[in-house]
Amino acid sequence: GAGVSQTPSNKVTEKGKYVELRCDPISGHTALYWYRQSLGQGPEFLIYFQGTGAADDSGLPNDRFFAVRPEGSVSTLKIQRTERGDSAVYLCASSLRGGGGELFFGEGSRLTVL
Amino acid sequence: SQQGEEDPQALSIQEGENATMNCSYKTSINNLQWYRQNSGRGLVHLILIRSNEREKHSGRLRVTLDTSKKSSSLLITASRAADTASYFCATDSGGSNYKLTFGKGTLLTVNP
Repeated sequence: GAGVSQTPSNKVTEKGKYVELRCDPISGHTALYWYRQSLGQGPEFLIYFQGTGAADDSGLPNDRFFAVRPEGSVSTLKIQRTERGDSAVYLCASSLRGGGGELFFGEGSRLTVL
Repeated sequence: SQQGEEDPQALSIQEGENATMNCSYKTSINNLQWYRQNSGRGLVHLILIRSNEREKHSGRLRVTLDTSKKSSSLLITASRAADTASYFCATDSGGSNYKLTFGKGTLLTVNP
């Protein structure tokens, strides 16, 4: 597609459940990022992929959060044992090479944990 | 943690007026970017200014950067109702130019 695609756009789950959020970046973009945005706040960095490898996962809040990008394109953010505090919009972005410059964001996946 | 802080938090103006938003940050940067976010949507890149630049223009946008004061401003001239959105500044840090730190944003409302 022409832009970054994220699915699902909305996800409602119960506390303790497992959730997967998918990101399909712009074709040819080697860098992929996940950010989390809480209501009234700016996006906060979670993880950065360069190709297939997670170059920086320092923003993941704890070990319940994990992300993969096995073929260097689509990425999945996985959240185990969800908590109410995980409720937020999860934004994915990609860029041509990484290392600074413009990020292209998807529309986000809104996660609500009841 | 959020490095950038936008000011004001909210701004309401009439169509045709100019809108100025400010951003302050804490650590040294390679570049500073401004993004726009319509309600419930993703962020859209507006402009990037490098640390060795002082001013940059793009259409109705004018961005300034003062690295000595660790601050930037975004000016939107001749505003339109369609400019209504949240505006965020984002900075990298000198050591990791891929990781952007965003402020809390300025909510701009342009009244027709």
